[in-house]
Amino acid sequence: GDSVTQMEGPVTLSEEAFLTINCTYTATGYPSLFWYVQYPGEGLQLLLKATKADDKGSNKGFEATYRKETTSFHLEKGSVQVSDSAVYFCALNSGYALNFGKGTSLLVTP
Amino acid sequence: EAGVTQFPSHSVIEKGQTVTLRCDPISGHDNLYWYRRVMGKEIKFLLHFVKESKQDESGMPNNRFLAERTGGTYSTLKVQPAELEDSGVYFCASSPLTSGANTGELFFGEGSRLTVL
Repeated sequence: GDSVTQMEGPVTLSEEAFLTINCTYTATGYPSLFWYVQYPGEGLQLLLKATKADDKGSNKGFEATYRKETTSFHLEKGSVQVSDSAVYFCALNSGYALNFGKGTSLLVTP
Repeated sequence: EAGVTQFPSHSVIEKGQTVTLRCDPISGHDNLYWYRRVMGKEIKFLLHFVKESKQDESGMPNNRFLAERTGGTYSTLKVQPAELEDSGVYFCASSPLTSGANTGELFFGEGSRLTVL
């Protein structure tokens, strides 16, 4: 079935460091791809999305490009802040459902 | 506007007992989803309601799980009898009919953590 695989965490970075969280997908069709974020004490919220190949999703300084040739949707941010500490989930849509990865915990230290 | 609310936030029960989790979606959201995250694993889809009807329940693990959405408003997820492997965080999400998994614009609650001893 359709699935996503994302890098295991936790990831610890210093403030202003560059962030990459890898995500690859397996799908029979052409799904849309998403990154969700869960901040401490909150529910998951959609961070960004891309609906077709070569689309770039962006929000809050985060970016991810839908790469069909490498079946990837890596999340990047040029300069992380302490407030970015959260768990990040890569996901794709399959039928009526979203299929999520295991999540990557990010801790940004001052 | 209130977000998706879930109750209880944490429940600790013994194997064989019954637990009922509740989800109140955002007002006016006809789509309601249940997901589960077992520790260290992916967030897994359980089922999807459109109003009071089950649209897709392919992710429900077995017949010990029963989900209802009376009147198309709040939803409950009952586990009876609970087993050790049912431990995890149960997430509820909602969206308007115009969005959902196809757009990825789901609004999630904070989750209900279930611990079965």
